[in-house]
Formats: sequence, C-alpha cells, structure tokens
Amino acid sequence: RKEVEQDPGPFNVPEGATVAFNCTYSNSASQSFFWYRQDCRKEPKLLMSVYSSGNEDGRFTAQLNRASQYISLLIRDSKLSDSATYLCVAWGGGSYIPTFGRGTSLIVHP
Amino acid sequence: NAGVTQTPKFQVLKTGQSMTLQCAQDMNHNSMYWYRQDPGMGLRLIYYSASEGTTDKGEVPNGYNVSRLNKREFSLRLESAAPSQTSVYFCASSDNNQPQHFGDGTRLSIL
Repeated sequence: RKEVEQDPGPFNVPEGATVAFNCTYSNSASQSFFWYRQDCRKEPKLLMSVYSSGNEDGRFTAQLNRASQYISLLIRDSKLSDSATYLCVAWGGGSYIPTFGRGTSLIVHP
Repeated sequence: NAGVTQTPKFQVLKTGQSMTLQCAQDMNHNSMYWYRQDPGMGLRLIYYSASEGTTDKGEVPNGYNVSRLNKREFSLRLESAAPSQTSVYFCASSDNNQPQHFGDGTRLSIL
C-alpha cells in the first residue's frame, strides 16, 4: 500500500470553478506536509507548505487533518494556468526521505 | 542563485554505454536525492545522501551508483545503460523535513 495516496483524476473543471483535492497518508508520525505543482515534463515546484492551523496563499488553501490523516488543497477561481499535476508530500517520523503521492491531474478548460 | 543545477539536460545513449549525471546545489542543504520519473508514474527514489559522506539506497537503486563528492555535488552513474533506464531524472536537495528543491531534470534515452 502506497504511504501517500491521491486520486489521480483527471479533475476537469471550467475556468472560475472551485476544486479540492485530498491526500491521505499512512505514517502517523509524519510532521511536515507540502503541496507541489508539476507541469508536463517539468520538475516539481513547491506550491505551499501545509500547517496544522491551515494556511492560505491567494487562491490556494491548504488544510491538515491529523486525526483522519489527510491533507487537502482548495483552489478557488481556477485559471487555465492552474492546469497541472498536484503532488502531496508527507515527511517525518525520523526519516530522511519524504513520501510523495503519485499526483492528481487538474485540467481547467475555457 | 541557481538553486539545483543538473547536467546534461538531454542525453541519448546506446545500450551498454556508461554515463554520469551531475547535480550541484548552492543552498547549503545537507541532503540530496536522485529520482526517476516515467510517463504517467510518480517520482521514484533511486538513491539519497542524508549528509556529506553518506549515501543510501532508495526504492529503485539497481543499475545505478552515486557519489556525494562534497556538500554541493551528488552524481548518479549508470555503469551499463539499459533501455529500461530511459526516463527523466531529477535531482533534489533539502534539509530534513523541509521542502525539497528540484533541478530541471535530465531526459535520458537509451537505445
């Protein structure tokens, strides 16, 4: 069983829509969580860290639910340029290795 | 501030040839990583170096070797390339539990 699981999608939404992705993690000792964005054939780029109290960066909101062991990413007012794959990451428990999910594909159409 | 720099960006090899992928970071990070990513697949860790002087196997180490030359540089070597090693290779660096920073990748084709 993959330690970090994501719905691969694709999520196909119109411009202006609100879309949410969830990601579950199995290691309860995980301490750090991140969302990355990856465009086709490009490197992953950090979108935002996820803090226990939840955090927002413009149109993006990240939440952490430790009790249920999932993190979420909410994108409001979707833009065409938001089309990408979104990777969630969990890290901690004394490991030097972060665990990446396989990613959720988002397609925003006109 | 270049971040993580990988060379080369593209390479075509014949089966059985060897080559070394280079990676350097200028962020003074302790840890460095090599991943491969195949079409439609997630990132798979090949090797990592938690700190200068140490290296450890990741999920898919077979057919690869690594060298942590110093704190800045972490190279990946294919001794005898095979078509199954055709992939995009990413190097990353970070400090523990902090976000990783990725290079822009090496696209490797083995014929």
